[in-house]
Amino acid sequence: EVKLLESGGGLVQPGGSMRLSCAASGFTFTDFYMYWIRQPAGKAPEWLGFIRNKANGYTTEYNPSVKGRFTISRDNTQNMLYLQMNTLRAEDTATYYCARSMNYYDGYYHVLYWYFDFWGPGTMVTVSS
Amino acid sequence: DTVLTQSPALAVSPGERVTISCRASESVSTGMHWYQQKPGQQPKLLIYGASNLESGVPARFSGSGSGTDFTLTIDPVEADDTATYFCQQSWNDPYTFGAGTKLELK
Repeated sequence: EVKLLESGGGLVQPGGSMRLSCAASGFTFTDFYMYWIRQPAGKAPEWLGFIRNKANGYTTEYNPSVKGRFTISRDNTQNMLYLQMNTLRAEDTATYYCARSMNYYDGYYHVLYWYFDFWGPGTMVTVSS
Repeated sequence: DTVLTQSPALAVSPGERVTISCRASESVSTGMHWYQQKPGQQPKLLIYGASNLESGVPARFSGSGSGTDFTLTIDPVEADDTATYFCQQSWNDPYTFGAGTKLELK
């Protein structure tokens, strides 16, 4: 059974830093791209970034909205995913989810699509003084 | 960024057919996916690639569309389907989500 479990959330002051963790189990962690997604209360989710799998060198990509402040990493020996968040702002207040990504090849349009097939329950981050 | 527009809320009776729409500000081909989120829970994948049913999801759920207009259909609706439904595109970077449609049962 695929399981993802985030931890590390809480209250942080504006300008502060926080590191979130995501423990993965039930699948071969190194085979998958892993994402961080956040969702402010009552609003739409927002994709933050991802880290590729072993076959693609564990490289990372970020949403321009957080690029330079957030860093995604993974410890493949422990099946852990991390999100380092720096210079936090009030607008970073949200529930943060880690998610596993799968791809689907559309043979008609000859395109590969990525989607999120499993999400963790999330961890809440509040940025406030 | 690609903006996905969804109607904010719908109310239907159990046993009825409901369609939830999602319109993209630019073409996303068939790179549209649908998620169900119940209060206090994480989103759950229902449909990927516009029309492909995720394993384990009841066949009452179906998806259609391409380009800019997409639909999630639930037929028949059951009481347990009370939730917010999000569309998400992965054709244009960055990937974006709709604001969600809250489905209530009468």
